[in-house]
Amino acid sequence: GAVVSQHPSRVICKSGTSVKIECRSLDFQATTMFWYRQFPKQSLMLMATSNEGSKATYEQGVEKDKFLINHASLTLSTLTVTSAHPEDSSFYICSASDRGFAYEQYFGPGTRLTVT
Amino acid sequence: SQQGEEDPQALSIQEGENATMNCSYKTSINNLQWYRQNSGRGLVHLILIRSNEREKHSGRLRVTLDTSKKSSSLLITASRAADTASYFCATDAIQGAQKLVFGQGTRLTINP
Repeated sequence: GAVVSQHPSRVICKSGTSVKIECRSLDFQATTMFWYRQFPKQSLMLMATSNEGSKATYEQGVEKDKFLINHASLTLSTLTVTSAHPEDSSFYICSASDRGFAYEQYFGPGTRLTVT
Repeated sequence: SQQGEEDPQALSIQEGENATMNCSYKTSINNLQWYRQNSGRGLVHLILIRSNEREKHSGRLRVTLDTSKKSSSLLITASRAADTASYFCATDAIQGAQKLVFGQGTRLTINP
């Protein structure tokens, strides 16, 4: 149980375009979903926390207009990187929690974004 | 912000040896967890230790927690080539928002 999927696993896009990443909880209802970014050989940095049906809470320094997060249902959250630039190239990981506790997060396999 | 510091940043040992990684954090916590990440992959949860626990075992893993020093260690005994990965600690704080804060990670290489 507690499986989280992400789609796509890899995406390459041109600079200036937008790309959407999906995060799904497959066998549980995720009241809270988290989005992380990880640069090569670095740790995970939390970008934002989203609760189903409400606006996401962004971490300091993360541009909410650039990284649009939608948590429209209890099993799906999306991250849209708008007007992507090469510096947005990174590994994006989502996680989901069914009880909203930070320590009970189930992680997705990640999405590798490359902006050319 | 990253509150966890891990050392060493990189560790290379021979198969069969034990590997010890350390993690320090800054605020009071509820729990501390260790995760493994193979290159380019997602996180695998290894073990959770609560703030009122001092030591926990799971198979070849041994985790200690010293809340007075705000530090934890992960020991992998009898290492195998398949243990090659990055290892991260993550904490959730007693006060503040419900979120995990990850350490910088240790890149472990097990040489056959």
